[in-house]
Amino acid sequence: DTAVSQTPKYLVTQMGNDKSIKCEQNLGHDTMYWYKQDSKKFLKIMFSYNNKELIINETVPNRFSPKSPDKAHLNLHINSLELGDSAVYFCASSPQGRGLNYGYTFGSGTRLTVV
Amino acid sequence: QKEVEQDPGPLSVPEGAIVSLNCTYSNSAFQYFMWYRQYSRKGPELLMYTYSSGNKEDGRFTAQVDKSSKYISLFIRDSQPSDSATYLCAMSALAGNQFYFGTGTSLTVIP
Repeated sequence: DTAVSQTPKYLVTQMGNDKSIKCEQNLGHDTMYWYKQDSKKFLKIMFSYNNKELIINETVPNRFSPKSPDKAHLNLHINSLELGDSAVYFCASSPQGRGLNYGYTFGSGTRLTVV
Repeated sequence: QKEVEQDPGPLSVPEGAIVSLNCTYSNSAFQYFMWYRQYSRKGPELLMYTYSSGNKEDGRFTAQVDKSSKYISLFIRDSQPSDSATYLCAMSALAGNQFYFGTGTSLTVIP
């Protein structure tokens, strides 16, 4: 029973295309995140949603737009894909509001390759 | 300057060795410290979690935090080939706030 699941696992697409990545968590967590991991393994936060509300929006091109239809889902849509968007995108979730941060549960990642 | 600095390695040790992994940070407000393990082509998984300074032990793993030096460590005793992975440190200033990650250290334990 996968806790945080992302689809697709692999995505190869041409420059200029628009694509979406979906994420779902069945942990009952309140907060979900999108992280980008580059080829050097550096994990950088892109967005965070708490109960469908955007709470973190880092300096990310406007071509990236997150959408959270409910607190169990957080999708990422990318317009006009560029070569530099090639990376692994991780969805994560965490329980919040308990006075302690329990850390994240990560999905297994979506490996995006733009050609 | 990055918030969190971590030597990317790679680090290669023989089976049974003691491994020491480290991170330094610049933000003195960080209070929550975590270590994640990431196997190849998988998402990071939480390994250890500490709040403020001190040590925490869990089996073969010990996490240490020295806030005065802004330095955290993860020790792995009796390392096993299954410990071969990338280890990422992460830290946060406030409960519920975002975590800042190090770049990860790649570890290989040779049988």
